[in-house]
Amino acid sequence: SQTIHQWPATLVQPVGSPLSLECTVEGTSNPNLYWYRQAAGRGLQLLFYSVGIGQISSEVPQNLSASRPQDRQFILSSKKLLLSDSGFYLCAWSWDSNQPQHFGDGTRLSIL
Amino acid sequence: DQQVKQNSPSLSVQEGRISILNCDYTNSMFDYFLWYKKYPAEGPTFLISISSIKDKNEDGRFTVFLNKSAKHLSLHIVPSQPGDSAVYFCAAYSGGSNYKLTFGKGTLLTVNP
Repeated sequence: SQTIHQWPATLVQPVGSPLSLECTVEGTSNPNLYWYRQAAGRGLQLLFYSVGIGQISSEVPQNLSASRPQDRQFILSSKKLLLSDSGFYLCAWSWDSNQPQHFGDGTRLSIL
Repeated sequence: DQQVKQNSPSLSVQEGRISILNCDYTNSMFDYFLWYKKYPAEGPTFLISISSIKDKNEDGRFTVFLNKSAKHLSLHIVPSQPGDSAVYFCAAYSGGSNYKLTFGKGTLLTVNP
């Protein structure tokens, strides 16, 4: 069966510090990978998706970037965090487009 | 512009009764709809989906109904159990080769013993 792992579960960072969140998927090959953010009181917002190694599409302009160095690894990064980057970040995978996406347990990011 | 709307932020139901969670959408290009369930400190878990070519899909205690003319879908849980207490999200894909799921803000369901 397929599993998805995200870490860390919680993270507290100062404004202006860098960020690296990692997500890995097991039990499947060539999945589509996604990064979402849920800000307080809002629904999930798609930030990035990837259909293959090195292929990244950005949905919204922002202070964040994503990379996919390996087939089942997806990384969310920032060079300098802003207060507005606080939120709950979720990684997900799917077999293909228009398929159910399956989520990790998320990272709660607090910016001080 | 919120294209998927869950107008009830919360719902409280007695154990054994039916829970009905509602979702409205505005984008007529949406053609595949999903429901997710989320417990605190966990990611959403996929529950059930429905394609726009159907008006009903059933999986055990969970049934999703789609009314395309009204741009409305609902999730029925029968019978409701205390373990069903969670936040439920409605989500939708639009047509074509699409990777973007559009989510509603969620409804907190509480099932009382």
